[in-house]
Amino acid sequence: DVKVTQSSRYLVKRTGEKVFLECVQDMDHENMFWYRQDPGLGLRLIYFSYDVKMKEKGDIPEGYSVSREKKERFSLILESASTNQTSMYLCASSRPSGPWEFFGPGTRLTVL
Amino acid sequence: ELKVEQNPLFLSMQEGKNYTIYCNYSTTSDRLYWYRQDPGKSLESLFVLLSNGAVKQEGRLMASLDTKARLSTLHITAAVHDLSATYFCAVHPMEYGNKLVFGAGTILRVKS
Repeated sequence: DVKVTQSSRYLVKRTGEKVFLECVQDMDHENMFWYRQDPGLGLRLIYFSYDVKMKEKGDIPEGYSVSREKKERFSLILESASTNQTSMYLCASSRPSGPWEFFGPGTRLTVL
Repeated sequence: ELKVEQNPLFLSMQEGKNYTIYCNYSTTSDRLYWYRQDPGKSLESLFVLLSNGAVKQEGRLMASLDTKARLSTLHITAAVHDLSATYFCAVHPMEYGNKLVFGAGTILRVKS
């Protein structure tokens, strides 16, 4: 079974802090994704990566950056957390040909 | 602008009843996905539909795709409480490369 794990299930941070969310997949997938999920808005793509050290902006990249130094690990960074970044963050991975994206359990981030 | 619209966004139904969730999308897509999400949990893959007229069934759920109308349906037959969850559709637009675009989700509550 594909396994996508995320470093924390719940996280509480203060405004202005630097926040790291980590995602690891064990199926040697080339593609990795970071989404945020908000009620009524579905999942919105923040960034994705199709190879080590490669990244592309998704629909809502502002306020976020990413790092992919190893194939299995994709990190989402909030340089200076703000309250409007309080959300559920989901990581996913897939092969280039798909078809499925496999999702991690999610990290619920609260910024106070 | 690319849109993926689900309706209804909230559905409360009695056990034993039938109902359909609709997913309309505004661009050409070579595949359409349905995912399920239980409260506090991540997304679980249900169906991927790869061609016009495709129909897939799993238990009490049946998904279909009409690429000409840009419409997919998720039909629920004789609902049971265990089907209570949030259901997302997602499309794979040709111009988006490896990315998925999600609908807002339909919250389904099946009452005993």
